[in-house]
Amino acid sequence: GNSVTQMEGPVTLSEEAFLTINCTYTATGYPSLFWYVQYPGEGLQLLLKATKADDKGSNKGFEATYRKETTSFHLEKGSVQVSDSAVYFCALTANTGNQFYFGTGTSLTVIP
Amino acid sequence: GAGVSQSPSNKVTEKGKDVELRCDPISGHTALYWYRQSLGQGLEFLIYFQGNSAPDKSGLPSDRFSAERTGGSVSTLTIQRTQQEDSAVYLCASSPIGQLNSPLHFGNGTRLTVT
Repeated sequence: GNSVTQMEGPVTLSEEAFLTINCTYTATGYPSLFWYVQYPGEGLQLLLKATKADDKGSNKGFEATYRKETTSFHLEKGSVQVSDSAVYFCALTANTGNQFYFGTGTSLTVIP
Repeated sequence: GAGVSQSPSNKVTEKGKDVELRCDPISGHTALYWYRQSLGQGLEFLIYFQGNSAPDKSGLPSDRFSAERTGGSVSTLTIQRTQQEDSAVYLCASSPIGQLNSPLHFGNGTRLTVT
């Protein structure tokens, strides 16, 4: 079946630290991969996506590379800011069915 | 507004009562999803509407849950005879064309508390 596993939080970092949030997936077919972010008090919004192997999605200084060989889509940022404090969700869609499959979310807190 | 709108934002109800949750998708979006977000859990798929096609109800957890979408726009999720385990945040999302690599646009959710 289709599923997403992401590292459990919460994660607390100091400002300007390097961030990695791990995400691995299981999917039938050729999935598209996404990272969504939920800022405090707001709805989820798309952060970045990649639709085929070796694609790199990037936005707001965040990057994730679609690695088919390791079935991973780890989220990285070189220097986090306080404003990056949020919950991050890894997700996939497979070319079977109509569903987006989400991970459990990783809470990030960045302290000054 | 331009975004997905959900109402109410918060709902407290007694066990055994019925509740209705409403979602106004972005105008012109043909695909509409309902998800449930429980504490410490990922987003659980509930139901999917795409245009005039029959909805994908495969995620509804029991027959107490139902949803409809009128005129291809507004959707209502109904939970009958609510139970405490129904307490969660119910999220609605819409997408322009329903293709699986189209991003979802989420509302802020309805926080349901069953006492």
